[in-house]
Amino acid sequence: SQQGEEDPQALSIQEGENATMNCSYKTSINNLQWYRQNSGRGLVHLILIRSNEREKHSGRLRVTLDTSKKSSSLLITASRAADTASYFCATDGSDDYKLSFGAGTTVTVRA
Amino acid sequence: DTAVSQTPKYLVTQMGNDKSIKCEQNLGHDTMYWYKQDSKKFLKIMFSYNNKELIINETVPNRFSPKSPDKAHLNLHINSLELGDSAVYFCASSQDSRGGYTFGSGTRLTVV
Repeated sequence: SQQGEEDPQALSIQEGENATMNCSYKTSINNLQWYRQNSGRGLVHLILIRSNEREKHSGRLRVTLDTSKKSSSLLITASRAADTASYFCATDGSDDYKLSFGAGTTVTVRA
Repeated sequence: DTAVSQTPKYLVTQMGNDKSIKCEQNLGHDTMYWYKQDSKKFLKIMFSYNNKELIINETVPNRFSPKSPDKAHLNLHINSLELGDSAVYFCASSQDSRGGYTFGSGTRLTVV
């Protein structure tokens, strides 16, 4: 079974708008990571947030982590057509050494 | 230079055949992985090697056998291919098991 679940499954926004997607997970984690996958390509690591961090920024990306609710969010500000992709959260469990992925959120940015 | 490269990119083969997918990383990472992504985009880990030693072996049919000749290479051999093996297989590497992963571009396997 998947550790993380993203919400929504799909998101369509206008260029320039912000996109927010959420991730919920089940077990305690060491860190949580977000990845982007363009159609037909491999996954690209975007950002890693450790379990003792609450917020992290990288360019137009903002990630929050709430370990009490076992949830994270990824915000993409001022979206561009090039942001069209699937976004996955992945959790690195405290008890194991593997990265478990959610099902992803497909984001479409309309020009 | 490609950081994690896998070959071939596409593989179409008949049921019952044996095939291999190769993966190489030039990042100097200690840990390498194989993931399977199905048609619904679910990504599931299959194997992980740390410095040539197997550290993760998920519930995968024993028709799948990974081989790591050195820490820069992790190949995947699949025997007696079945229709259900059709998927995209991704190789990845990381400096350690707690950091970000670098993925290859994937091998789309189609079993007919």
